[in-house]
Amino acid sequence: DAGVTQSPTHLIKTRGQQVTLRCSPKSGHDTVSWYQQALGQGPQFIFQYYEEEERQRGNFPDRFSGHQFPNYSSELNVNALLLGDSALYLCASSLVGQQETQYFGPGTRLLVL
Amino acid sequence: AQSVTQLGSHVSVSEGALVLLRCNYSSSVPPYLFWYVQYPNQGLQLLLKYTTGATLVKGINGFEAEFKKSETSFHLTKPSAHMSDAAEYFCAVSTGGFKTIFGAGTRLFVKA
Repeated sequence: DAGVTQSPTHLIKTRGQQVTLRCSPKSGHDTVSWYQQALGQGPQFIFQYYEEEERQRGNFPDRFSGHQFPNYSSELNVNALLLGDSALYLCASSLVGQQETQYFGPGTRLLVL
Repeated sequence: AQSVTQLGSHVSVSEGALVLLRCNYSSSVPPYLFWYVQYPNQGLQLLLKYTTGATLVKGINGFEAEFKKSETSFHLTKPSAHMSDAAEYFCAVSTGGFKTIFGAGTRLFVKA
């Protein structure tokens, strides 16, 4: 049973660039949430996708956008990167009606120079 | 609005000693409560969760937590620490919706 997978594992970008991170949910899951974890902090909720639509969004600017595909996989896009966007980006999947039980991927570590 | 406060950013115990990691939450509606563990360079692993029912929740690796509504607490305990327990621990709260709020984390050190 494949768990949540994320790609790439590490990424280095420069300020102003754009980045796309990818997530494949656990088999059978249909809901994907994205979190940002800055160094030394807890994860912060970015947004959640279900049925290819954004259901709820945290306190993140519009530079952060996402997409969910028919196969339930998801992308997180960040435009106009800032140094402060450097973080571990975590994807979590769950089943609708059981959103409280989330399974997390290993994360993508983004460094913005 | 929901919030989580983890008391102590670092906790150090000796191997075999009791582990106690403290968590207090704030929620205007009945909460779901969670403890996650994160090992270096890895994602989060669910240790245990409280949704409804029994207030003493048992999780993996010998951990347990007790939901105390009157104290708005959900402290994590383990009777005997093992070296492999050294990691970052996060308490989290949600109201069954879409958003989970995490605490800042407590790093557990286990001394031989």
